[in-house]
Amino acid sequence: QVQLVQSGAEVKKPGASVKVSCKASGYTFTGYYMHWVRQAPGQGLEWMGRINPNSGGTNYAQKFQGRVTMTRDTSISTAYMELSRLRSDDTAVYYCARGEDGYNYGYWGQGTLVTVSS
Amino acid sequence: QSALTQPRSVSGSPGQSVTISCTGTSSDVGGYNYVSWYQQHPGKAPKLMIYDVSKRPSGVPDRFSGSKSGNTASLTISGLQAEDEADYYCCSYAGSYTSYVVFGGGTKLTVL
Repeated sequence: QVQLVQSGAEVKKPGASVKVSCKASGYTFTGYYMHWVRQAPGQGLEWMGRINPNSGGTNYAQKFQGRVTMTRDTSISTAYMELSRLRSDDTAVYYCARGEDGYNYGYWGQGTLVTVSS
Repeated sequence: QSALTQPRSVSGSPGQSVTISCTGTSSDVGGYNYVSWYQQHPGKAPKLMIYDVSKRPSGVPDRFSGSKSGNTASLTISGLQAEDEADYYCCSYAGSYTSYVVFGGGTKLTVL
């Protein structure tokens, strides 16, 4: 069965960077885009970007351009999302989600809480 | 402010039907048949309930249905059950020259 397992919670200081991992299993990793979506406490979902695990090509939401980097390691079926120059309003749960045809998400990771606090 | 507009809350009694709207523009909801809906219970990851405007993934009850008219998509839940109480989010493809994907702000469904 398809599973996306994310790395554990992180606490970071403002200005630092965080790198969240998402290990995929149960399907061909290179066959589906991996998207990243975040959710601030008590807030809605926000799309951050996506990576093509086959080519490594990426597309980022304009809001995060210059601060986010999405990468992958096909040898271990793992996608990564790194966010730099963290601010307090980056405190959120970060999800990876497998992109199906038509930009919908049938499978999600369990989420990774990133807390930014001095 | 979210790109897609949803009501903040809706409510209904068990057995009743409710409809949640999701209003966008001709650049997202109105321009593509790539609207999806997600159910999210507290502390859990979102769950896909509807995709491609009106298709249901296997395992989702047929009490859940989706539709679209112009720039507004809708999720209807009939025969409300207590376990339907959750947050619901709409999502739309927005084209490769803009944001690619936009979400609604979410709607809290309360089953009275």
